[in-house]
Amino acid sequence: AQSVTQLDSQVPVFEEAPVELRCNYSSSVSVYLFWYVQYPNQGLQLLLKYLSGSTLVESINGFEAEFNKSQTSFHLRKPSVHISDTAEYFCAVSDRGGGFKTIFGAGTRLFVKA
Amino acid sequence: NAGVTQTPKFQVLKTGQSMTLQCAQDMNHEYMSWYRQDPGMGLRLIHYSVGAGITDQGEVPNGYNVSRSTTEDFPLRLLSAAPSQTSVYFCASKVQGSGRGNSPLHFGNGTRLTVT
Repeated sequence: AQSVTQLDSQVPVFEEAPVELRCNYSSSVSVYLFWYVQYPNQGLQLLLKYLSGSTLVESINGFEAEFNKSQTSFHLRKPSVHISDTAEYFCAVSDRGGGFKTIFGAGTRLFVKA
Repeated sequence: NAGVTQTPKFQVLKTGQSMTLQCAQDMNHEYMSWYRQDPGMGLRLIHYSVGAGITDQGEVPNGYNVSRSTTEDFPLRLLSAAPSQTSVYFCASKVQGSGRGNSPLHFGNGTRLTVT
């Protein structure tokens, strides 16, 4: 079984400041790791994913996440946030077999202030 | 390309009523699933399907039924609604197959259900 813990329920930050959203996971099997973003009144969209290889993965809009196997973490970072990054962010894991069950964390609401 | 389409967007039910939430996808994805989203709890998997005629339970299946007669459609049925089922429901699909746990989910825009 897998579980995901997002350590912060809300993160307020000023525009152009750096941000880190923390995610820890627990699993008895090898997993793939994902970050999804949800804008108001919408479904979730994939932000980035870690499958294998380099432990640092990047998205097209400046976010990056680093897989740390020893700490079982997959924290999401952005060096300079914009107002438009205000959204809820979900960390998720999927087992490396069939991936029948993607398990999500409780979410972190990022609020970017002007 | 419409992706994943959910209907209705909003629904209010009285306790004990039944209803079906519709989900359709046009991406020929084998895998489809239903999640519910509640404040502070993230998304929890209700049921999923890996192909027509094949369904299985997720984390919170009680009170919900599903069937999968076609690749495109995956309806979620509430047989006797309860206030505890007040939630936002999301349908999601993805490519499926051996070793395809790396495929991301594609989500619909959700159905907001209130049970009074």
